[in-house]
Amino acid sequence: AQSVTQPDIHITVSEGASLELRCNYSYGATPYLFWYVQSPGQGLQLLLKYFSGDTLVQGIKGFEAEFKRSQSSFNLRKPSVHWSDAAEYFCAVGSSNTGKLIFGQGTTLQVKP
Amino acid sequence: DAGVTQSPTHLIKTRGQQVTLRCSPKSGHDTVSWYQQALGQGPQFIFQYYEEEERQRGNFPDRFSGHQFPNYSSELNVNALLLGDSALYLCASSHRVGNSPLHFGNGTRLTVT
Repeated sequence: AQSVTQPDIHITVSEGASLELRCNYSYGATPYLFWYVQSPGQGLQLLLKYFSGDTLVQGIKGFEAEFKRSQSSFNLRKPSVHWSDAAEYFCAVGSSNTGKLIFGQGTTLQVKP
Repeated sequence: DAGVTQSPTHLIKTRGQQVTLRCSPKSGHDTVSWYQQALGQGPQFIFQYYEEEERQRGNFPDRFSGHQFPNYSSELNVNALLLGDSALYLCASSHRVGNSPLHFGNGTRLTVT
């Protein structure tokens, strides 16, 4: 079955601390992997995507993610979190850039001052 | 350059009624996808339209139908509303050819009472 698991429902970090959000996927074909961020009352904004090539991908707002095929993981990282990073983060997998995406349940990030 | 626009932003309906949600894709995009996001959950794929035809469909009943117009805009129709249809409905657009990922609108918040 195709699925995405985000094990952490809620994470709290202090401003300036590093961040890692976990994502594991189950997908039969070669996956296209994405991380989206959603602020309250807003739609989804793409942070970064992975299709092939270098397994460490850079995104917007200082985020990066690493694809590990052996672990079926695509974890999101940021070296120093800002208060404006507080939001809901979604990992997603698909068979193409524009087709059906399967989303995880999301991780809510809270940033302490 | 306008992004994906959805209307209305909020809607309250009564169980059993019918509703129509509208989406205008980002300029230059020709493909529209619809997602349902229940509270506290990740988005779930409903269907995708390209060239005015439904191309992919997720696991949603026939009460959910759609349409795409020659100008690429799209409508999502839900008949015989259930309380469980209360959710944020997200529209995403993309270009069929090329490497651009999905761009999401801010969604329509549907409440069924």
